[in-house]
Amino acid sequence: SQTIHQWPATLVQPVGSPLSLECTVEGTSNPNLYWYRQAAGRGLQLLFYSVGIGQISSEVPQNLSASRPQDRQFILSSKKLLLSDSGFYLCAWSARRASSNEQFFGPGTRLTVL
Amino acid sequence: GDSVTQMEGPVTLSEEAFLTINCTYTATGYPSLFWYVQYPGEGLQLLLKATKADDKGSNKGFEATYRKETTSFHLEKGSVQVSDSAVYFCALSELNFNKFYFGSGTKLNVKP
Repeated sequence: SQTIHQWPATLVQPVGSPLSLECTVEGTSNPNLYWYRQAAGRGLQLLFYSVGIGQISSEVPQNLSASRPQDRQFILSSKKLLLSDSGFYLCAWSARRASSNEQFFGPGTRLTVL
Repeated sequence: GDSVTQMEGPVTLSEEAFLTINCTYTATGYPSLFWYVQYPGEGLQLLLKATKADDKGSNKGFEATYRKETTSFHLEKGSVQVSDSAVYFCALSELNFNKFYFGSGTKLNVKP
């Protein structure tokens, strides 16, 4: 069966520090991968998605970036965090070719920028 | 472009009350429709889905019917429990595209 992992689960970082969040998927090949952010009490904002190694699509301009160095690994990064980067970050995957394109979510990383 | 609109929350109900959370969508093609649930501090879990018009998705007592004529996918449950307290997201995905479109989420509070 497929599983998706995110780490760390919780992170507290000072403003201006770098960020690296990691997401890995097991039990599937060639997944589509997604990064979402959920601000407190808000809905989901799609940040990046990837259909293959090295292929990243950005949905919103910001100081975050994403990379996909391996087929089942998706990394969210920042060189300098802002207060507004605080939130709950969710990674998700979907099968490349599927009848319904259902997305499966990881447990999330809660980021607090102080 | 594609979009999903769902009712604002929070929705507060007493245990065993009837639940409806409205969801309407706009899509250029023939989307699949989903309801996800998010319990406090967790990621999203798929609750139910429907892939074509008139399909009914159901799970754990929740139901939603894909209505193409009204472009709706309302979530219903006949008798809610305290354990149903969570945030519910309506979403759509078009088969030939790689993106999901989520509604803003509706928080449900069920009181004993």
